[in-house]
Amino acid sequence: ETGVTQSPTHLIKTRGQQVTLRCSSQSGHNTVSWYQQALGQGPQFIFQYYREEENGRGNFPPRFSGLQFPNYSSELNVNALELDDSALYLCASSLDGGEGTEAFFGQGTRLTVV
Amino acid sequence: SQQGEEDPQALSIQEGENATMNCSYKTSINNLQWYRQNSGRGLVHLILIRSNEREKHSGRLRVTLDTSKKSSSLLITASRAADTASYFCATDGADQAGTALIFGKGTTLSVSS
Repeated sequence: ETGVTQSPTHLIKTRGQQVTLRCSSQSGHNTVSWYQQALGQGPQFIFQYYREEENGRGNFPPRFSGLQFPNYSSELNVNALELDDSALYLCASSLDGGEGTEAFFGQGTRLTVV
Repeated sequence: SQQGEEDPQALSIQEGENATMNCSYKTSINNLQWYRQNSGRGLVHLILIRSNEREKHSGRLRVTLDTSKKSSSLLITASRAADTASYFCATDGADQAGTALIFGKGTTLSVSS
């Protein structure tokens, strides 16, 4: 186990709804990154937070938003859910921006949009 | 978008055999990492190789990096059934947002006993 926990593990939502996914990072890590992994694909970078500030964003629309809290835990919010948002959402924590260091991944949240 | 591609997409071998997976990427990098994923669960870090390194070992794993060809390979020696998983390469580079990891599509390895 990596020490990174995500909740919930599974979630079913209806198209148009909003969802919040949560991530607790490994102790001592100040950087959290979120990834979306569609079935049969590699993870795709959504965004990264470093010390509560957004530190980079991938090619995802603004309805994907996030937060990082003072304890470095994080939330991913997705508004106006679409069927294509169905995927495994992975959170990864690392230290000091993560460059050149290992990222520790949680077990993911499986989101199904119907 | 995906940074690169792993090759082959799928690999089936017998226990005890060696497994080699290749990864190609498109842009300059600072580091390249390999991760393993079991059955759609979280990713587990295997090894990191920096852009100024050419080869690195960790237990039964051997990774090579050729920055002139923008490619890397992962060799798993004496494979075991427990090595059955998907393997991804991931890069981080100066031109990427934050320190985002950019993943390939992965190689699915199946090791039969």
